[in-house]
Amino acid sequence: DTEVTQTPKHLVMGMTNKKSLKCEQHMGHRAMYWYKQKAKKPPELMFVYSYEKLSINESVPSRFSPECPNSSLLNLHLHALQPEDSALYLCASSQDLSGSSYNEQFFGPGTRLTVL
Amino acid sequence: GESVGLHLPTLSVQEGDNSIINCAYSNSASDYFIWYKQESGKGPQFIIDIRSNMDKRQGQRVTVLLNKTVKHLSLQIAATQPGDSAVYFCAENGNGGSQGNLIFGKGTKLSVKP
Repeated sequence: DTEVTQTPKHLVMGMTNKKSLKCEQHMGHRAMYWYKQKAKKPPELMFVYSYEKLSINESVPSRFSPECPNSSLLNLHLHALQPEDSALYLCASSQDLSGSSYNEQFFGPGTRLTVL
Repeated sequence: GESVGLHLPTLSVQEGDNSIINCAYSNSASDYFIWYKQESGKGPQFIIDIRSNMDKRQGQRVTVLLNKTVKHLSLQIAATQPGDSAVYFCAENGNGGSQGNLIFGKGTKLSVKP
């Protein structure tokens, strides 16, 4: 199984709502990532987890709260978002963060988020 | 600013021709580079990668070339097919030695004419 799955596929939420995005992989990967991608732009890294611990936070606003309950799951909790947060949110995983070997990141299909 | 960029935002080729997509990077510490393909409505799909101790790597119908002297990366697609139509991103590990922090280039949209 070389797949990263994400749910939901689409999400529409108001600025006062609380919602969560979910990501799952069963490749035994120990690094997982959240990216944000605006239309016609490249993905931008938000968070990196390594062995279930937060490794990188790219100065993301606190209204985005990541969580890694176990090595297969990654969540992104959303609260009090703004309309400009509307984007495609991509999850990815890789074997680990080692720089000693080829270690590609596998991406999920993304969650298309619209904030009203 | 971004340390990875592209020379052309769009590329149109005839089916069966070879395609070349270019990418420039500016971080000398980067030692790992990846090409991704993203079709409409989908996440990026890994195509091929290369480490800085190599200057060429080949896959099935694709070749990546790395020129560290001029900090240039290219993706060559042989016998381009309609299914190759997508946006192609290059990415580098800007931290060097750690592949967690990928920096993506702006992307090139490849259109294949039948």
